[in-house]
Amino acid sequence: NAGVTQTPKFQVLKTGQSMTLQCAQDMNHNSMYWYRQDPGMGLRLIYYSASEGTTDKGEVPNGYNVSRLNKREFSLRLESAAPSQTSVYFCASHRGVNTGELFFGEGSRLTVL
Amino acid sequence: DQQVKQNSPSLSVQEGRISILNCDYTNSMFDYFLWYKKYPAEGPTFLISISSIKDKNEDGRFTVFLNKSAKHLSLHIVPSQPGDSAVYFCAARGSTGGGNKLTFGTGTQLKVEL
Repeated sequence: NAGVTQTPKFQVLKTGQSMTLQCAQDMNHNSMYWYRQDPGMGLRLIYYSASEGTTDKGEVPNGYNVSRLNKREFSLRLESAAPSQTSVYFCASHRGVNTGELFFGEGSRLTVL
Repeated sequence: DQQVKQNSPSLSVQEGRISILNCDYTNSMFDYFLWYKKYPAEGPTFLISISSIKDKNEDGRFTVFLNKSAKHLSLHIVPSQPGDSAVYFCAARGSTGGGNKLTFGTGTQLKVEL
């Protein structure tokens, strides 16, 4: 019972390098999300996809791009990484009922030097 | 502008006692409130939620109270157990714009001591 799976779990980048964080869910959820968690800041929404084929900006989208590849997969791309993007990234999905509950992956820890 | 605030970064209680975690919000358009628990190196897991049309929701040892006039909610854990030691995030959902977007507070680290 995998739920939401994120890869990689850890990554170290140099400033200016690019990378993609992958996320897949096996719960047939329509909506998917990318959050980042920073000390003292809680979780902040980067981008979300309400349904396959749509994506929208969240609270902190600058420096990121996303792709909703299909219903299962939602990737987050950093085109030119900056030290300010050092964070823990969480992917989540929503099953579509009215309770608002999101299911989260285990997180990807990214360090930009 | 922090729309969801958890003003206590940490809380320490003894096993068996009540833990009370607090959360304040500023946006009166939030229609759903949730609590998440997070252990180190894991993703947040859903704990309990409450609709804005209710003032209390209970699930086992966990009860959430909502005071809309004060824009305040709290999570009560009774009795507290060592396994409850974790970071607790309060979250709120906006009722407009769709997409089930949640706004999170900064979290409260709960430590339950033996």
